[in-house]
Amino acid sequence: NAGVTQTPKFQVLKTGQSMTLQCAQDMNHNSMYWYRQDPGMGLRLIYYSASEGTTDKGEVPNGYNVSRLNKREFSLRLESAAPSQTSVYFCASSEAPGPYEQYFGPGTRLTVT
Amino acid sequence: QKEVEQNSGPLSVPEGAIASLNCTYSDRVSQSFFWYRQYSGKSPELIMSIYSNGDKEDGRFTAQLNKASQYVSLLIRDSQPSDSATYLCAVNIPPGNTPLVFGKGTRLSVIA
Repeated sequence: NAGVTQTPKFQVLKTGQSMTLQCAQDMNHNSMYWYRQDPGMGLRLIYYSASEGTTDKGEVPNGYNVSRLNKREFSLRLESAAPSQTSVYFCASSEAPGPYEQYFGPGTRLTVT
Repeated sequence: QKEVEQNSGPLSVPEGAIASLNCTYSDRVSQSFFWYRQYSGKSPELIMSIYSNGDKEDGRFTAQLNKASQYVSLLIRDSQPSDSATYLCAVNIPPGNTPLVFGKGTRLSVIA
């Protein structure tokens, strides 16, 4: 089992460019999450998908869109990247929403210049 | 407001000592509590879960939960330099189908 995988591992964008971060899990989990992590700020939830076909905003959704493509895949799109979106992005999954442990992917380090 | 609070540290302990990491949370009816370890440049890794009041031991790690006082702790016995990392506390705060709430983490440094 690969667990949770993310692509790419690193990315450099210019301001205004767009990109999609990909996430996939092979644990047959129902729920998936996107976080960003910045120094001193901890993990901040961007969007989550409690189950296939649903998505909800988290703490910091502005500037991002998501797609739950199927049960395995959950993508995060930056339509017009800004320097404030420079961060490390983690995808996670859990069996169900709520009181279940989350398993994290390796992360994507994004720099916007 | 949903809150999980941790001291940011750094917490420095000598090798072989017991490291004690604490976490408080805002909602008395929370049911599930998790500890994650995050090495620098890596993703969070689940190391302990606890659901009932009392202690839960796993090797050198012990999680302690006190729901009445709304805190959860992680003890690391015989601390090793390889335990140096940031430790994140995560709590489910009702309503029940909302994501876990993570603390900002405590940085632990074990000095050889």
